[in-house]
Amino acid sequence: NAGVTQTPKFQVLKTGQSMTLQCAQDMNHNSMYWYRQDPGMGLRLIYYSASEGTTDKGEVPNGYNVSRLNKREFSLRLESAAPSQTSVYFCASNFLLGSYNEQFFGPGTRLTVL
Amino acid sequence: KQEVTQIPAALSVPEGENLVLNCSFTDSAIYNLQWFRQDPGKGLTSLLLIQSSQREQTSGRLNASLDKSSGRSTLYIAASQPGDSATYLCAATYNNAGNMLTFGGGTRLMVKP
Repeated sequence: NAGVTQTPKFQVLKTGQSMTLQCAQDMNHNSMYWYRQDPGMGLRLIYYSASEGTTDKGEVPNGYNVSRLNKREFSLRLESAAPSQTSVYFCASNFLLGSYNEQFFGPGTRLTVL
Repeated sequence: KQEVTQIPAALSVPEGENLVLNCSFTDSAIYNLQWFRQDPGKGLTSLLLIQSSQREQTSGRLNASLDKSSGRSTLYIAASQPGDSATYLCAATYNNAGNMLTFGGGTRLMVKP
């Protein structure tokens, strides 16, 4: 099992450029999440997908779109990148059994917007 | 608003010391409390998860406890080693929050040889 994988690992964009961050999990989890991590701000939820075919906004969704392509894959798109979107982006998936809810994280994508 | 707080933000201890990391949460309607480890430039590794019906979980030298009534969780690390140096994050899942995690700011731990 590869767990949760993310591509690319690093990316530098110019203001106004667009890009898509890819995430895939091979654990057959229903729910997937996108977080960003910034110094002094901790991890904040951008979007999540409770199940295939559904997506919902998290705490900081502005400037982002997501697609739950299938059960395995959940992508995050920046349509017009801004310097404020410089961050480390983490994808996670969720093992849920009753009230047991454990999240597993990918290695992250380090994005710099110039 | 549900909030999770970790104090202190940074901690330095000599090797071999037993230590406790603290996590506080504002809402007792908690489903789970999960502890993670994050090494510099890396992702998050799940260490322990405590369900709301449990009081503690153990894995090797790590023991995590949960006290819903006081809004606190602690991560106990026995006989600390330099390899334990990392940032430790706690995160809560609440009953009404769609299984989303609310994270604390983390405690950056350094264990000196």
